[in-house]
Amino acid sequence: DVKVTQSSRYLVKRTGEKVFLECVQDMDHENMFWYRQDPGLGLRLIYFSYDVKMKEKGDIPEGYSVSREKKERFSLILESASTNQTSMYLCASSTSGMLYEQYFGPGTRLTVT
Amino acid sequence: LAKTTQPISMDSYEGQEVNITCSHNNIATNDYITWYQQFPSQGPRFIIQGYKTKVTNEVASLFIPADRKSSTLSLPRVSLSDTAVYYCLVGYSGAGSYQLTFGKGTKLSVIP
Repeated sequence: DVKVTQSSRYLVKRTGEKVFLECVQDMDHENMFWYRQDPGLGLRLIYFSYDVKMKEKGDIPEGYSVSREKKERFSLILESASTNQTSMYLCASSTSGMLYEQYFGPGTRLTVT
Repeated sequence: LAKTTQPISMDSYEGQEVNITCSHNNIATNDYITWYQQFPSQGPRFIIQGYKTKVTNEVASLFIPADRKSSTLSLPRVSLSDTAVYYCLVGYSGAGSYQLTFGKGTKLSVIP
């Protein structure tokens, strides 16, 4: 069974802290994605990666960076967390030939105080 | 960049067919249309994908008119377990360019 795991289900951080959100997939997928989900706004793409060390900005990359050193792992980094980054963060993966058939992790609810 | 519009919510009785429409007026030639289902405390789950006309799988059907400016997800004979939020995704990839735009979701409530 396909699986995307995220390092934490819930996370509480303070303003100004550096935050790492980790995502691992076991399906040998080329594509990996980071979204944030907010009430009334749906899912918004932050970054995605189509190969190791490759990344593309999504709709809302400001305040975020990403790292993909290994095919199975995609990290989202908040360099200096702010309260407006309090949100649900979802990671997803897909094969190169099926960009839109994405498999999602359970999400990390991040609260920045 | 494609923009999508969906109804915020819908109610349906068990056993009825439910149709959820997504508008994407400025869809590009190469955009695909994909639908996802999301239950509380879970990530979205892929349901169906299409480019034009009609696609059917064991879960749902997807109708796309000739102009492709909208698409309709059809769920036959819904049950209580179909209560969820449904998202349409319009996306494009090609020539080194990628665009993915999710709708804001339609909350479907199935009533016994």
